[in-house]
Amino acid sequence: KAGVTQTPRYLIKTRGQQVTLSCSPISGHRSVSWYQQTPGQGLQFLFEYFSETQRNKGNFPGRFSGRQFSNSRSEMNVSTLELGDSALYLCASSLEVYNEQFFGPGTRLTVL
Amino acid sequence: KQEVTQIPAALSVPEGENLVLNCSFTDSAIYNLQWFRQDPGKGLTSLLLIQSSQREQTSGRLNASLDKSSGRSTLYIAASQPGDSATYLCAVKTSGSRLTFGEGTQLTVNP
Repeated sequence: KAGVTQTPRYLIKTRGQQVTLSCSPISGHRSVSWYQQTPGQGLQFLFEYFSETQRNKGNFPGRFSGRQFSNSRSEMNVSTLELGDSALYLCASSLEVYNEQFFGPGTRLTVL
Repeated sequence: KQEVTQIPAALSVPEGENLVLNCSFTDSAIYNLQWFRQDPGKGLTSLLLIQSSQREQTSGRLNASLDKSSGRSTLYIAASQPGDSATYLCAVKTSGSRLTFGEGTQLTVNP
């Protein structure tokens, strides 16, 4: 069974640009969550989607948004990039909302 | 607001030693607790999941316990090996179904 996949694995952008990251969950999983990991703040929750609906949102500005498609694949978008957005963005999927979460390899975003 | 603390922040042990990693959380109203390992530059690998109604879970050389009332969990690693070297993260799932993570324990097992 394939694990969680994330594309692209690495991204380099400049301030002010926008970026879209993609996540494909494990087959059959309907819940997808996104997390940001930085050396200073650790792992922080961004948002969670279940059946195409955002169930939960973390404490991030409106520049961070996401969506989930009918096949459970998810995308997150960051607009007007800032230097502080440089981080490892991790996607996790679970069968249902309260089940064990499985993480993908992450997308390393560098903002110059 | 849920806060998760992991002690120690770093640990260096000789191969073969048994060791214990600690995790504490401030809000006992959790659905479950998950232990992960993270290798440098990689994603998280789920090690063990303990539901709020359970006291412990075991997988191979790993054993995790949960004391929800006191807000504590421990991860016990038996007969440590150099391949166990990684950062170990504890995370709790609370109302709202988000995971709140600790800062992690960086483990080094020396041959």
